[in-house]
Amino acid sequence: AQSVTQPDIHITVSEGASLELRCNYSYGATPYLFWYVQSPGQGLQLLLKYFSGDTLVQGIKGFEAEFKRSQSSFNLRKPSVHWSDAAEYFCAVGRTGANNLFFGTGTRLTVIP
Amino acid sequence: EPEVTQTPSHQVTQMGQEVILRCVPISNHLYFYWYRQILGQKVEFLVSFYNNEISEKSEIFDDQFSVERPDGSNFTLKIRSTKLEDSAMYFCASSERQGFGYTFGSGTRLTVV
Repeated sequence: AQSVTQPDIHITVSEGASLELRCNYSYGATPYLFWYVQSPGQGLQLLLKYFSGDTLVQGIKGFEAEFKRSQSSFNLRKPSVHWSDAAEYFCAVGRTGANNLFFGTGTRLTVIP
Repeated sequence: EPEVTQTPSHQVTQMGQEVILRCVPISNHLYFYWYRQILGQKVEFLVSFYNNEISEKSEIFDDQFSVERPDGSNFTLKIRSTKLEDSAMYFCASSERQGFGYTFGSGTRLTVV
């Protein structure tokens, strides 16, 4: 069965610092991988997705993620964090021919001046 | 940018009452979904809907839940007899293709008292 682990419940970074949010998945075949962001009172906004091909994926708002099959990871990165990036970040995994996504528990990002 | 619209944003209901959560998916999307997020827990898949029928459902989606697309634009989730444990944020989503590129709505927070 698929599962997603986000080991960090809460991360605090200074504005301008780099960011890496961790995501590990469990799935037998090549998964579809997603990162979503949720600001307070908002829905889930897709940041980026990986289906196949280049393992380094570029997304919106300056985010990128790298798929590492050997480590079953899909970590989200940003070189320089902005105060507006403060939000909850969710990693999710899907599979071929399936409708549903499996979500991690999320990582709350706090950005300090 | 096209949006998935959910109404109401917050609903309070008494235990045992029926509730209907409403969603307007993106107009050219063919696949529709409901997810829920109990406070502090993961976002969980409830059901997917395609071609006017349920295509997949989770074990959470028991007989007290039902979905309907009553017209060409709305997609509803009905909970027949609400329980305290149904209190959660309910997200509607739609996609053009199966399992690809979901667009989520901003959610309906359901509080059962």
